Amino acid sequence: DGGITQSPKYLFRKEGQNVTLSCEQNLNHDAMYWYRQDPGQGLRLIYYSQIVNDFQKGDIAEGYSVSREKKESFPLTVTSAQKNPTAFYLCASSINPGVKKLFFGSGTQLSVL
Amino acid sequence: DQQVKQNSPSLSVQEGRISILNCDYTNSMFDYFLWYKKYPAEGPTFLISISSIKDKNEDGRFTVFLNKSAKHLSLHIVPSQPGDSAVYFCAQGGSEKLVFGKGTKLTVNP
Repeated sequence: DGGITQSPKYLFRKEGQNVTLSCEQNLNHDAMYWYRQDPGQGLRLIYYSQIVNDFQKGDIAEGYSVSREKKESFPLTVTSAQKNPTAFYLCASSINPGVKKLFFGSGTQLSVL
Repeated sequence: DQQVKQNSPSLSVQEGRISILNCDYTNSMFDYFLWYKKYPAEGPTFLISISSIKDKNEDGRFTVFLNKSAKHLSLHIVPSQPGDSAVYFCAQGGSEKLVFGKGTKLTVNP
């Protein structure tokens, strides 16, 4: 089955630690996105990538980093510079950057110990 | 500036009745709108979309209406079912990304 796989489902971060959230898609989509959801908030864009080896900052990129070395993979690193990392993180993809219909993964809940 | 606003954080309806979820936007330059449904601890799933060349789009129990002059769209669910209980997000297609509203939590009571 084609889709987007996010792992792990739950992740805990210690003070000063960097953690990486995995996102893999087998839909052969060009564009991939990372969103963050906080309680009572909408989805806010962290980073997006329209093509392999290229990515752009979204609205709340500070404290995060990404890479896009392969078409199917778009990992997100939450660095120690992100002071409020507790949130639900969603990875999404679209067939190409011009198509705004996104397909989402099932999300990763990140919490701070 | 591109903003999408869902001013009702929650809505409660009886099973079998109509649910109406509302959404307002500020930027008329972008003409494609989507509704997503989200259950707790899961990713959003696409529900229905509309582009500005139409003022209505229907898919089964779900209908989206677009009022361009008022910069307003609404999602109608008829009849509402308990399984429709979820958070519904309105989104507008921007130049490079989707911009989402904060969502409306719909509860359908049996």
